[in-house]
Amino acid sequence: SAVISQKPSRDICQRGTSLTIQCQVDSQVTMMFWYRQQPGQSLTLIATANQGSEATYESGFVIDKFPISRPNLTFSTLTVSNMSPEDSSIYLCSVVFGFAYGYTFGSGTRLTVV
Amino acid sequence: DAKTTQPTSMDCAEGRAANLPCNHSTISGNEYVYWYRQIHSQGPQYIIHGLKNNETNEMASLIITEDRKSSTLILPHATLRDTAVYYCIVQTGNQFYFGTGTSLTVIP
Repeated sequence: SAVISQKPSRDICQRGTSLTIQCQVDSQVTMMFWYRQQPGQSLTLIATANQGSEATYESGFVIDKFPISRPNLTFSTLTVSNMSPEDSSIYLCSVVFGFAYGYTFGSGTRLTVV
Repeated sequence: DAKTTQPTSMDCAEGRAANLPCNHSTISGNEYVYWYRQIHSQGPQYIIHGLKNNETNEMASLIITEDRKSSTLILPHATLRDTAVYYCIVQTGNQFYFGTGTSLTVIP
């Protein structure tokens, strides 16, 4: 399975600012995914990031708020823009090599907006 | 959207088997059933997955009914470290959609 590194592991940010989260994978993967986990809740898929094309966003998530980059097959970033306290969550990236192997998740970025 | 339903919470005595059920009545023939767990808001940890046959690994066993509409994850000898939220997931297209999961508490 892949090893995923996410940075930062946690941050406290002022409202109105933006934070970019990085996700680095030790192997080349076609599909990368970004999830949000609000306090006490399950994981919600934000978007699918494919190299060479625009990210595909799930209902309720928009590119202006959560722009995603995918410059190569091992790296992706998620930006949380114009943050408000409601954006306080854990953000996780994940990858899949094939559905016979399942998804691998990073350890997450714990974001607190004050 | 998630295609699974699970009980919200369960308790299990330490050393006993923990049996976690999951319903996935709309599963398609080529969709896998996956089980993950999440401890203290860490990243979800893979446990096991299966398509049609029962599966066993060093962590758990997965029992899938013949009609594939439900499954059960079995932790054979639960320990306190198995206290976590357990998610049963059926892929939808290329995506994983998480349901609410089952919060398992292992009691000493």
